[in-house]
Amino acid sequence: DAMVIQNPRYQVTQFGKPVTLSCSQTLNHNVMYWYQQKSSQAPKLLFHYYDKDFNNEADTPDNFQSRRPNTSFCFLDIRSPGLGDAAMYLCATSGPERDINNEQFFGPGTRLTVL
Amino acid sequence: AQKITQTQPGMFVQEKEAVTLDCTYDTSDPSYGLFWYKQPSSGEMIFLIYQGSYDQQNATEGRYSLNFQKARKSANLVISASQLGDSAMYFCAMREVNTGGFKTIFGAGTRLFVKA
Repeated sequence: DAMVIQNPRYQVTQFGKPVTLSCSQTLNHNVMYWYQQKSSQAPKLLFHYYDKDFNNEADTPDNFQSRRPNTSFCFLDIRSPGLGDAAMYLCATSGPERDINNEQFFGPGTRLTVL
Repeated sequence: AQKITQTQPGMFVQEKEAVTLDCTYDTSDPSYGLFWYKQPSSGEMIFLIYQGSYDQQNATEGRYSLNFQKARKSANLVISASQLGDSAMYFCAMREVNTGGFKTIFGAGTRLFVKA
C-alpha cells in the first residue's frame, strides 16, 4: 500500500548530540511537511517542501534543519537537541499538487527522547 | 486570534451513542478547506473527513458527518454509533488559499473517551 514511512519509530539521543529523523513516501506527493507535537498539544508545523522549494516557519528554531534529496525522501536534522526538543515528530505529505482540498497523509511519527 | 477553536478539551460518550465534537474557525478567505483528523494513542494522525467552503452539502464518511454552518463558521464533527475504538484525540483543521494552500492550521484538539 502507498504510505508515509518514518524511521525510526523511537529515537533516544543525548543532550547536544545531533540526530536525524527520516521520512519516505510512496504517494509521489509534491508537498512534504515536518511537524513537532508535544504531549496533548496540536501539531506545530516546522517547515514544508513544495518539490524542492523549502519553506521555513518563522518560529522554527535554527537548531532544526531539513533536507529533501528527492521526491520520496525527507530528513529532519536536529543539530543540538535540548530537553525541550523531546516530542513526537510527524511527517506528512499532500498532493499531487498544492490544493486546499487535499488532505494530508501522516506517517506514524518518531518519538524523540532527549537524555 | 485563534484560527481554529475546539472548546471541549475532553468528552465522554457511551458506546453506541452519537457524539458531537465542536469546532469553530476564523478566516476572511472565501476559499478554504476544513478537515478532521483522529489521533489514537499510537500517535498516527488519521484523516477522517473534509468539507470545502463552497460545498453545499454536509460531508459524510461512514459514521462520520460534518455539520457545516458557514455563516456561524462552525464545522462540528458528528460520530454516530460510537465504538470503543473511537477513543482518541480529534483535531479540527483548516487550510486557506491565501496561505498558498500548503499550511494546515490545527485546533487544540478534543480527547474523546468512549465508555462501555
